Amino acid sequence: GENVEQHPSTLSVQEGDSAVIKCTYSDSASNYFPWYKQELGKGPQLIIDIRSNVGEKKDQRIAVTLNKTAKHFSLHITETQPEDSAVYFCAASSGAGANNLFFGTGTRLTVIP
Amino acid sequence: DGGITQSPKYLFRKEGQNVTLSCEQNLNHDAMYWYRQDPGQGLRLIYYSQIVNDFQKGDIAEGYSVSREKKESFPLTVTSAQKNPTAFYLCASSIQRTATYEQYFGPGTRLTVT
Repeated sequence: GENVEQHPSTLSVQEGDSAVIKCTYSDSASNYFPWYKQELGKGPQLIIDIRSNVGEKKDQRIAVTLNKTAKHFSLHITETQPEDSAVYFCAASSGAGANNLFFGTGTRLTVIP
Repeated sequence: DGGITQSPKYLFRKEGQNVTLSCEQNLNHDAMYWYRQDPGQGLRLIYYSQIVNDFQKGDIAEGYSVSREKKESFPLTVTSAQKNPTAFYLCASSIQRTATYEQYFGPGTRLTVT
């Protein structure tokens, strides 16, 4: 099955700096890569996603890049704000019909005011 | 106000007892999911359901059971056969059972078994 690795497990940045979280996946057939943000006491929420036919996608301060050859994808957050502090999970779709999501182990991002 | 509700937020049980976690959605979604979240690990799929009266095992179904008698409800029973039941349980739903449809998550239930 799919194996998704995520680094780093914790990340602290100063407010206004950029944050980068990286994930690798093992199944070359995976074709959909969402990123979820989980705030304390809440369920994860989708913040951005990318499909395998696209190399980069941006949404305001958030961007995701995908390198299918190397089988890795990254989340970039620019001009970080304290409200960006949360746990971020990457995921990759795989399995029958590529309908199962396999999640990384999460990155706890802390933005220091 | 549409969304997914899970109850209770915290649940405590003695070892050897079965316990049922509630999940309700009013998003009119066909697909529903149960995930388990452990410290330092990603979310792992326990069961999923594509439609009423249908459900399939995920990656870690042993020791769990589900039912889907109504579109809105997908309760999870943690049985005494589950060897390490203490965890944070998340329910999710999506329009259809296709990975590219966004999964909406509930707030979770933290189960502690002693």
